[in-house]
Formats: sequence, C-alpha cells, structure tokens
Amino acid sequence: SAVISQKPSRDICQRGTSLTIQCQVDSQVTMMFWYRQQPGQSLTLIATANQGSEATYESGFVIDKFPISRPNLTFSTLTVSNMSPEDSSIYLCSCRQSYNQPQHFGDGTRLSIL
Amino acid sequence: DAKTTQPPSMDCAEGRAANLPCNHSTISGNEYVYWYRQIHSQGPQYIIHGLKNNETNEMASLIITEDRKSSTLILPHATLRDTAVYYCIVRPPEGGSSNTGKLIFGQGTTLQVKP
Repeated sequence: SAVISQKPSRDICQRGTSLTIQCQVDSQVTMMFWYRQQPGQSLTLIATANQGSEATYESGFVIDKFPISRPNLTFSTLTVSNMSPEDSSIYLCSCRQSYNQPQHFGDGTRLSIL
Repeated sequence: DAKTTQPPSMDCAEGRAANLPCNHSTISGNEYVYWYRQIHSQGPQYIIHGLKNNETNEMASLIITEDRKSSTLILPHATLRDTAVYYCIVRPPEGGSSNTGKLIFGQGTTLQVKP
C-alpha cells in the first residue's frame, strides 16, 4: 500500500495567517483527497485533488479558504487561509492508486490556531 | 450515497471475538462495504472490504448478509491494541465528473477492548 507523508505533523498558528500542508506519496496514485477532523468528531471530506486541474470541493468548502494544488501524481498541498480558531483541526491527506484499491491515509497535520 | 448506522460504542474482553455490526439498508447493487479503524492520534487504517461475498484477511473477517442490508466485522481474537473507532462505509461506484468513489465517514463505533 502507498505510504503517505504529511508536513508539518503539527503547528500552532496565529489567527489571520495561512498555512500550507504538504502531502507526499511514495508511489503514483490516481486519486488524492483532503479531509478535516475537528476535535472529537469524525472525518469530513474537504475536496478531491485533481492532477492538472482545479480541485473538486465538497459542500461547505470553498477554494478561497482551502486552495489545493496537485502538480503531479505523488504530491499535493492544502492551504488553510486566513485562519481562525474554528479551523483548529486535524487535516488528513488520503490517496487511492486505482478504483479497485483501498484508500489510504496519512497520520494528519494537527493544527491549532490561537 | 448509502448511509450506514453503527452503535456508538461497544466493549469486548481481550482474547474474545469482537463483532461490530453495521446497517446499510439503502445500499445499491454496485456499492462496496468498507471498514476502517482509527487508533488515537493516527490516520484511519484500512481493514477490509467486500461486495457480496464474505471476506477474510489477516486482520479481520467481513460477513455481509444475503440482502446486503447489513454487515458484521469480526476481529477473531481482540487485543488491547484493537481499541479504536471502527468505521463502516458504503462506497459509491466511481463514475462521472463529480463522483470519484470517495469515502464518506459516519460517526463509527468506539470499540474498547478490556483486559
């Protein structure tokens, strides 16, 4: 299965600032996804990162707040923009090599906004 | 997307089998049932998936009823390290510009394995 590395693993940020989270996969994958997990909650899908085109966002998430890049088949970034304390969450990168393969997850980025 | 219903929590004695139920009464014929677990401070871990037939791997067994409206994940000999939140997810088929076969998580079952 694909190994997913996220950077940073955790960060504490000031409100109003932005942070870019990197996701690197050790093999080429077809699909990449970004999830958010708020404290004590389940995972919520933010968007599907599409290689070479704009990400596909889920209801309630917009590109201006969560811009996503995916320049190739092994790498993606998620930016959390103009952060507020409500953005304090774990952000997880996920990938799938092909439709018939399971989706795998990184261990996430723990983000706290003061 | 088909919705799943799981009990919020369960206990299991160490060494005994843990049977985690999941209801997915609105599942369609081409949707798979996936199980993941999330141990504290880690990302979700894939366990097993199936369509119609029962499946077994080194981690667990998946029993899907004949009408496919429910399933059970079985951990045959639970250990303390199996304490986690277990998610049952019905995955839609991939197709079209807006459907990527993405995983949508519910609230899951918190399994506590006790000594």
